[in-house]
Amino acid sequence: AQSVTQLGSHVSVSEGALVLLRCNYSSSVPPYLFWYVQYPNQGLQLLLKYTSAATLVKGINGFEAEFKKSETSFHLTKPSAHMSDAAEYFCAVSDSGGYNKLIFGAGTRLAVHP
Amino acid sequence: ETGVTQSPTHLIKTRGQQVTLRCSSQSGHNTVSWYQQALGQGPQFIFQYYREEENGRGNFPPRFSGLQFPNYSSELNVNALELDDSALYLCASSSYGTSGMLDTQYFGPGTRLTVL
Repeated sequence: AQSVTQLGSHVSVSEGALVLLRCNYSSSVPPYLFWYVQYPNQGLQLLLKYTSAATLVKGINGFEAEFKKSETSFHLTKPSAHMSDAAEYFCAVSDSGGYNKLIFGAGTRLAVHP
Repeated sequence: ETGVTQSPTHLIKTRGQQVTLRCSSQSGHNTVSWYQQALGQGPQFIFQYYREEENGRGNFPPRFSGLQFPNYSSELNVNALELDDSALYLCASSSYGTSGMLDTQYFGPGTRLTVL
């Protein structure tokens, strides 16, 4: 069965510092992988997705993620954090079954302090 | 292009009652998936509707049911509400691509259900 593990339920960085949010997945087939962001009291917004093309995926708001098959990882990075990046971030893998449900990690809450 | 919308925004019910949540899919999408997000957790898949038929179901009891209409909007119905049903309910719309895989799922803002 496919699964997603997000290491670190809370991450705190200074404004301007590197953001690194970790995601490891388990899948027996080549996965589709996603990062979503959730701001307080809102739904999920797609940041970026990996669908077996380029292993380095660029998303919105300056975020990017690299698919590493050997490490079964899909970590999310941003070179310089901004206060507006404070939110909950979810990594997800698409179930390879017939209806491609999303399987989410537990989420990482990112805090950005001045 | 209109995005995914959900109604109502918030809802308060008591144990044993029934509730209906609504979702309007994004223009051009024919698939709606519903997810439950309990406080402090990631979303959990409830079920998916494709062309008005249930197309897959997660580990939720039969008192969670749904419908999809010809315009691809959808309802989630929950009977005999329990305290643990308190959560944010998210719907996501998408379409199946030529590869047979579901394209990116776009989420609505959610309905916050509180069961007292």
